[in-house]
Amino acid sequence: DAKTTQPPSMDCAEGRAANLPCNHSTISGNEYVYWYRQIHSQGPQYIIHGLKNNETNEMASLIITEDRKSSTLILPHATLRDTAVYYCIVKTGANNLFFGTGTRLTVIP
Amino acid sequence: GAGVSQSPSNKVTEKGKDVELRCDPISGHTALYWYRQRLGQGLEFLIYFQGNSAPDKSGLPSDRFSAERTGESVSTLTIQRTQQEDSAVYLCASSRRAAANEKLFFGSGTQLSVL
Repeated sequence: DAKTTQPPSMDCAEGRAANLPCNHSTISGNEYVYWYRQIHSQGPQYIIHGLKNNETNEMASLIITEDRKSSTLILPHATLRDTAVYYCIVKTGANNLFFGTGTRLTVIP
Repeated sequence: GAGVSQSPSNKVTEKGKDVELRCDPISGHTALYWYRQRLGQGLEFLIYFQGNSAPDKSGLPSDRFSAERTGESVSTLTIQRTQQEDSAVYLCASSRRAAANEKLFFGSGTQLSVL
């Protein structure tokens, strides 16, 4: 699985958009980009995933660059409950998800 | 049930004892995964099952760790002769099948403390 690089921490004001970047420069053509988050003492929660096209669901939007070497997770209107560690992962075939250290997002009132 | 269920939620044991951790995946999910998360760290892959077979056991840290799955349902992770470094949250996840575009659903984990 390709390695991902994320900033260790970020702050975001409540009500503003949170933009979390991820670099995956060694991603291959059949690897999907996944985003999960983990709120303290809970299991990781799926947010969104994509292959080439941008994706949007009720939680977030995922923007993948044309060369697929990086992506951005967008939480359009961050709330205090969005404070968590956010993991960007790439996944191939039947393999599991290899989690890195993620980005600790703190939403500030 | 609606989600992945793990039991017990907490387990305290003495060094040298054996422990069994249980995972009930979402009904119909053929793929099942075990992870370990030490305090303040990321998730560490242990093993995954496709049906009842385990194609990838590469993450098991030692021969004290084993896992099985029966009936394409419940899985147990067994740790023999527990050591203090085994203390961690053990997380289970399942997906409809083991494929690149299938998302994993996680349980709440078992907090294991080895004294």
